[in-house]
Amino acid sequence: AQSVTQPDIHITVSEGASLELRCNYSYGATPYLFWYVQSPGQGLQLLLKYFSGDTLVQGIKGFEAEFKRSQSSFNLRKPSVHWSDAAEYFCAVGASSGAGSYQLTFGKGTKLSVIP
Amino acid sequence: DAMVIQNPRYQVTQFGKPVTLSCSQTLNHNVMYWYQQKSSQAPKLLFHYYDKDFNNEADTPDNFQSRRPNTSFCFLDIRSPGLGDAAMYLCATSRDLLGSEATNEKLFFGSGTQLSVL
Repeated sequence: AQSVTQPDIHITVSEGASLELRCNYSYGATPYLFWYVQSPGQGLQLLLKYFSGDTLVQGIKGFEAEFKRSQSSFNLRKPSVHWSDAAEYFCAVGASSGAGSYQLTFGKGTKLSVIP
Repeated sequence: DAMVIQNPRYQVTQFGKPVTLSCSQTLNHNVMYWYQQKSSQAPKLLFHYYDKDFNNEADTPDNFQSRRPNTSFCFLDIRSPGLGDAAMYLCATSRDLLGSEATNEKLFFGSGTQLSVL
């Protein structure tokens, strides 16, 4: 069965510093990979996704992520964090549910705090 | 404007007392999902509707039921809530089943309903 591991439960960075959130997945086939962000009191919002092709994907709000098959990783990065980036970040893998469709399996999330 | 709306934002119920959570969408999407997110846990898919077809995840307890009377609305019914059912319940939609049009797919989430069981 597929699984997603986000090793860091909580990360604190200073505003303007760079950010990397780690995500490792376990899935037998080529995965579909996603990063979602959840601000307090809000639903999850898609940041970016990887299906195929270029392993470095660009997302909204200045985020990017790199798929590394050899490491089973899909880490999220941002060169300069803004205070508004404080939120919880979820990595997810899309696993086949049959007939060409898939469902998402989420990691437990990483909470990001930003120090002004 | 909110596109996936969940009511209420907070719901308190008593142990064993049936409770219904509501989700509506203005996107006219075919698929609606219910996720359970316990504190410090990953969102876990309970079931989804593809149009009127109900799809239950294998490990979703029988205590959880769902209804979709029309395209716009989907309800989560918990027949006899236990203390372990206290969680955030997230509703989500997608235009079609994920996998059918990969490049344009994403889930649209509501803000969730936080359920407390006393």
